[in-house]
Amino acid sequence: DVKVTQSSRYLVKRTGEKVFLECVQDMDHENMFWYRQDPGLGLRLIYFSYDVKMKEKGDIPEGYSVSREKKERFSLILESASTNQTSMYLCASSLGTGGQPQHFGDGTRLSIL
Amino acid sequence: DQQVKQNSPSLSVQEGRISILNCDYTNSMFDYFLWYKKYPAEGPTFLISISSIKDKNEDGRFTVFLNKSAKHLSLHIVPSQPGDSAVYFCAASPSFNTNAGKSTFGDGTTLTVKP
Repeated sequence: DVKVTQSSRYLVKRTGEKVFLECVQDMDHENMFWYRQDPGLGLRLIYFSYDVKMKEKGDIPEGYSVSREKKERFSLILESASTNQTSMYLCASSLGTGGQPQHFGDGTRLSIL
Repeated sequence: DQQVKQNSPSLSVQEGRISILNCDYTNSMFDYFLWYKKYPAEGPTFLISISSIKDKNEDGRFTVFLNKSAKHLSLHIVPSQPGDSAVYFCAASPSFNTNAGKSTFGDGTTLTVKP
């Protein structure tokens, strides 16, 4: 069975901290994605990666960076956390061809105090 | 400019009746359309998809209809069950180059099926 694992379900950090969210997939997928979900705003793409060391900005990349050193792992970094980054963060992966469904992790509920 | 729109934030139906969830898109380059279901405290899960060369795809109780000329798709659930109560996201993706696999999501529709 396919699996996308996010390192934490809940995380509480302080303003100004550097925050790392980790995601691992076991399906050998080319694509990996980071989204944030806020009430009434659906899923907004932060960054995606279509290959190791390759990344592209999504719709809301400001304040975030990513790292993909290995195919199975995609990390989201909040360089200096702010309260407006309090949100649900979802990681997903998919095959590289068009129309393939994305497989999601269960999310990380991040609170910045 | 929102390229994928789900204009109904919520929908309530009686168990056993049909649920119809709607989605509109603006980008003619979208080739694939997908529906996902999301329960609270879980990630979205893939439900059903359709390519732009088809106008209908069916999987059990779920059917997706695509009207390319109107840039509109809909998800029909028949019969609806209480376990179908969830948030449903419509998504669209192109098929070319590095954007293949990247999807644009709507804001979601919360479906409540009453027993």
